[in-house]
Amino acid sequence: DADVTQTPRNRITKTGKRIMLECSQTKGHDRMYWYRQDPGLGLQLIYYSFDVKDINKGEISDGYSVSRQAQAKFSLSLESAIPNQTALYFCATMEREWGTQYFGPGTRLTVL
Amino acid sequence: TQLLEQSPQFLSIQEGENLTVYCNSSSVFSSLQWYRQEPGEGPVLLVTVVTGGEVKKLKRLTFQFGDARKDSSLHITAAQTGDTGLYLCAGGGTSYGKLTFGQGTILTVHP
Repeated sequence: DADVTQTPRNRITKTGKRIMLECSQTKGHDRMYWYRQDPGLGLQLIYYSFDVKDINKGEISDGYSVSRQAQAKFSLSLESAIPNQTALYFCATMEREWGTQYFGPGTRLTVL
Repeated sequence: TQLLEQSPQFLSIQEGENLTVYCNSSSVFSSLQWYRQEPGEGPVLLVTVVTGGEVKKLKRLTFQFGDARKDSSLHITAAQTGDTGLYLCAGGGTSYGKLTFGQGTILTVHP
């Protein structure tokens, strides 16, 4: 079984809808991250969390919110989706400062 | 502001050729990581370099961290079609708990 899982893998939605992307991990890491990937822009950090009570905004947090329900679960929400949020979204974990980041398989989100 | 600049953005070569991808910054990093991403999957770590001037080899891949820890390179010898993918560099140490990613290099190796 994969260490970092994301659901759904693909989602098509309409402008204005609320969307939740879920991430679960079995690696036992405290640090979890949500990234957005657009062609030619690499990975942009949306939110990150060092533990259940510690949530931090990344570079592009506007329009997004997160919930860390447990050490193993970190969800990303788009309160009112807009077309320019169409992208590939990745969840990742990291065991320690500057350690390896372990990525999930990604969620491809399309907002019409 | 993009702290890590990768070049080239696209690279299309024939099998057997050599190539180098560069990752440059004006910032000093405590560590530099290289990831490879295949279509439909998340990035996977290839290597981490932490010492200025450090060189690491992974089969046909050679990674170097600049002496001043501001830049890094990835050299592939005798590229194979299986090397095709997106290569990302990521720097650690400028912001606590976060990595800074370059924009990536898309490598296509033709048979």
